[in-house]
Amino acid sequence: EAGVAQSPRYKIIEKRQSVAFWCNPISGHATLYWYQQILGQGPKLLIQFQNNGVVDDSQLPKDRFSAERLKGVDSTLKIQPAKLEDSAVYLCASSLVKGGRGYATYEQYFGPGTRLTVT
Amino acid sequence: QQPVQSPQAVILREGEDAVINCSSSKALYSVHWYRQKHGEAPVFLMILLKGGEQKGHEKISASFNEKKQQSSLYLTASQLSYSGTYFCGTETQGGSEKLVFGKGTKLTVNP
Repeated sequence: EAGVAQSPRYKIIEKRQSVAFWCNPISGHATLYWYQQILGQGPKLLIQFQNNGVVDDSQLPKDRFSAERLKGVDSTLKIQPAKLEDSAVYLCASSLVKGGRGYATYEQYFGPGTRLTVT
Repeated sequence: QQPVQSPQAVILREGEDAVINCSSSKALYSVHWYRQKHGEAPVFLMILLKGGEQKGHEKISASFNEKKQQSSLYLTASQLSYSGTYFCGTETQGGSEKLVFGKGTKLTVNP
């Protein structure tokens, strides 16, 4: 089974420029997440999709960040314009619920991430 | 509310045991544990559900104290491959599939 794919793996841009990241989740996984991981910290959820609908984007800086998941499969995350504090690893993850009523579980599978450096 | 992990870092010799704790100020539905090696993606270890039993994975096991809203990860007879940063992710609403991750515990296992 292929894992979560992300591209590019590395990106260096200057502040005020724009950048886009792409994610292809595991086939059949309905839920897709974008996380921001700053060096030395745990992943911070930016946005969560269920199929092609947004479930939670409460921590997404909407003045500069945007994300979409067309057709409920691939997703893109965009930053425009970038700031120095956006330097981080951007992780995409997908999950599939297992089990039934009362004992549903799920595992999040992470992609390799995109390391963004803003100079 | 971000869960609190302790300790922040631990150094072991191969074969020694370690315990990593994760505590929350909010009622928890589930706790997920992940391990991340340097420069790699986090890898799922196990999930502890409210009302569930202690889980195990080889020599790594975990418990979930619902009353205290705490989970502990136990690593016994540590191996070099156990080195990495361990994160707990907490879910407060069942069915939300939304995790809040702690800051992580860096584990180093030396020969």
